Amino acid sequence: QSALTQPASVSGSPGQSITISCTGTSSDVGGYNYVSWYQQHPGKAPKLMIYDVSNRPSGVSNRFSGSKSGNTASLTISGLQAEDEADYYCSSYTSSSTLEVFGGGTKLTVL
Amino acid sequence: QVQLQESGPGLVKPSQTLSLTCTVSGGSISSGDYYWSWIRQPPGKGLEWIGYIYYSGSTYYNPSLKSRVTISVDTSKNQFSLKLSSVTAADTAVYYCARGGGELGWWFDPWGQGTLVTVSS
Repeated sequence: QSALTQPASVSGSPGQSITISCTGTSSDVGGYNYVSWYQQHPGKAPKLMIYDVSNRPSGVSNRFSGSKSGNTASLTISGLQAEDEADYYCSSYTSSSTLEVFGGGTKLTVL
Repeated sequence: QVQLQESGPGLVKPSQTLSLTCTVSGGSISSGDYYWSWIRQPPGKGLEWIGYIYYSGSTYYNPSLKSRVTISVDTSKNQFSLKLSSVTAADTAVYYCARGGGELGWWFDPWGQGTLVTVSS
């Protein structure tokens, strides 16, 4: 069982917006602004999409945005495109001895 | 632009030691600007952070693997390496190296392409 909880799947139609949640505790998501999000296409390495809750690396589309409220972080993808279909993982620093924890992943299907 | 590439055996026998190397190009491990991590993903499952190393040799390991993991660095070759001892089938996974982790940035970017290591006799 993953330390951070994500929905197993979400779906949306092209052009729509979707949000993926990532729920932790005050020891990780809620306590620090060190949440990051990764996109992983089948057979490929994960790609950083958001870091430090809401920052986008250079080259990542502004259709991707991140936020946090309490112990839950969220990734929002607006203007869904077919190429967004992938698995998405959140991660966070944690004050536990593990230091870094991941969510179980969410499969995004673009209908 | 920084690129990472994993290398090492794709098949390891149970109870033996898994050894992988990550070669960094386009940037220097010795710059001290980042930590360097290993992360693994069992087939069809999620991600697990294994640990990180700094260019100075300072390391931190996930407690769940700490007794079996060693991460080392060779700055002359711009490489860092992973050793995981006493492997079992549960260690079968795609192993990724990545830049990041640690207090210089709790995120991972970029990642290597990953290498599948199967533990089987």
